[in-house]
Amino acid sequence: GAVVSQHPSRVICKSGTSVKIECRSLDFQATTMFWYRQFPKKSLMLMATSNEGSKATYEQGVEKDKFLINHASLTLSTLTVTSAHPEDSSFYICSATRTSGDKGQFFGPGTRLTVL
Amino acid sequence: GEDVEQSLFLSVREGDSSVINCTYTDSSSTYLYWYKQEPGAGLQLLTYIFSNMDMKQDQRLTVLLNKKDKHLSLRIADTQTGDSAIYFCAERGDTNAGKSTFGDGTTLTVKP
Repeated sequence: GAVVSQHPSRVICKSGTSVKIECRSLDFQATTMFWYRQFPKKSLMLMATSNEGSKATYEQGVEKDKFLINHASLTLSTLTVTSAHPEDSSFYICSATRTSGDKGQFFGPGTRLTVL
Repeated sequence: GEDVEQSLFLSVREGDSSVINCTYTDSSSTYLYWYKQEPGAGLQLLTYIFSNMDMKQDQRLTVLLNKKDKHLSLRIADTQTGDSAIYFCAERGDTNAGKSTFGDGTTLTVKP
């Protein structure tokens, strides 16, 4: 149990376009989902905390208008990178926590975004 | 704010034991986790320990917690080449439910 999926797994887009990444909890309900960005030197950077039915909480330095997060249901959160630029190229990972029982965060497989 | 630190690299021979160390600063940490990340993949929760525990064993994995020194370790017995990956230590306090602070990860290389 506790499977989280992400779609797409890999995306290449042109500079200036917007890209949407979906994060789904497949077999559990997740009131909270997190979005991370992982840099080439492997450190995880928390971008925002997404709660179902409310506005996301962004970490300091993360542009809200650039990285739009929507958590429309207990099993789905989306991250939209608006007007993407090459510096937005990265590995984006989502995670989710279950509504009951604490066993950490369950991570999606990640989405590799490349902006040309 | 909270901080979690790990050594960046560890190299061992197949069959040996691996010990990955982690220190954290938040004295109110309630849960401590170890995650594994294989190349090109997301993070996989390996094991976790509550702050009121000293040790937890799960097959080849042993987690030791020294709460006084805020030191956490992960021991992998009989390390295999398939254990080569990046291992992240993370902690979570009582506040900000579900939000964890991660270390930068330790790259474990297992040589045949």
